[in-house]
Amino acid sequence: KQEVTQIPAALSVPEGENLVLNCSFTDSAIYNLQWFRQDPGKGLTSLLLIQSSQREQTSGRLNASLDKSSGRSTLYIAASQPGDSATYLCAVGYGGSQGNLIFGKGTKLSVKP
Amino acid sequence: NAGVTQTPKFRVLKTGQSMTLLCAQDMNHEYMYWYRQDPGMGLRLIHYSVGEGTTAKGEVPDGYNVSRLKKQNFLLGLESAAPSQTSVYFCASSYSGPQQFFGPGTRLTVL
Repeated sequence: KQEVTQIPAALSVPEGENLVLNCSFTDSAIYNLQWFRQDPGKGLTSLLLIQSSQREQTSGRLNASLDKSSGRSTLYIAASQPGDSATYLCAVGYGGSQGNLIFGKGTKLSVKP
Repeated sequence: NAGVTQTPKFRVLKTGQSMTLLCAQDMNHEYMYWYRQDPGMGLRLIHYSVGEGTTAKGEVPDGYNVSRLKKQNFLLGLESAAPSQTSVYFCASSYSGPQQFFGPGTRLTVL
């Protein structure tokens, strides 16, 4: 059974730091991997989607990498800002076109001014 | 566009009561999903639908039923609510699968 683990569970950094969030998965037979952001009391917002054939995706200050063979993904956030404070969730896609996702438990990020 | 909306936002039930959660999307998406989010458990898929009139079980379907009578709506029903169903419920939709758009969630408490 596919399991998705995110380390650390919580992270507090000063504003301006570059940081890395980690995600690992047990079964390398995935279709894609996504990183989501969740603000308190809100739904999820998709940040980056990496297809299984890709190695990385970038959007602004965010860069996500995927290494299927080792079962790992990282989300790199450059020059962190207090507005980046949220919970970041990693999810792996399986089951073909249905888009079914298995989520990690998330990393709660706090960026201090 | 409103995106994905969920009704109601909050609800308190007593054990044994029934209720229906409504999810609506105005993006003409084929796929719709219901998840629950519990502390320490992450999001887990309850049921999903790949098109109008179709439904399928996800990871944790027991105690829930769903219906997709219209393409834009996906209903989640609890026939006899239990305290273990206290959770935050999220609906999502997607056009072709991978990239899902989430609603704001429904916080359900079962006493």
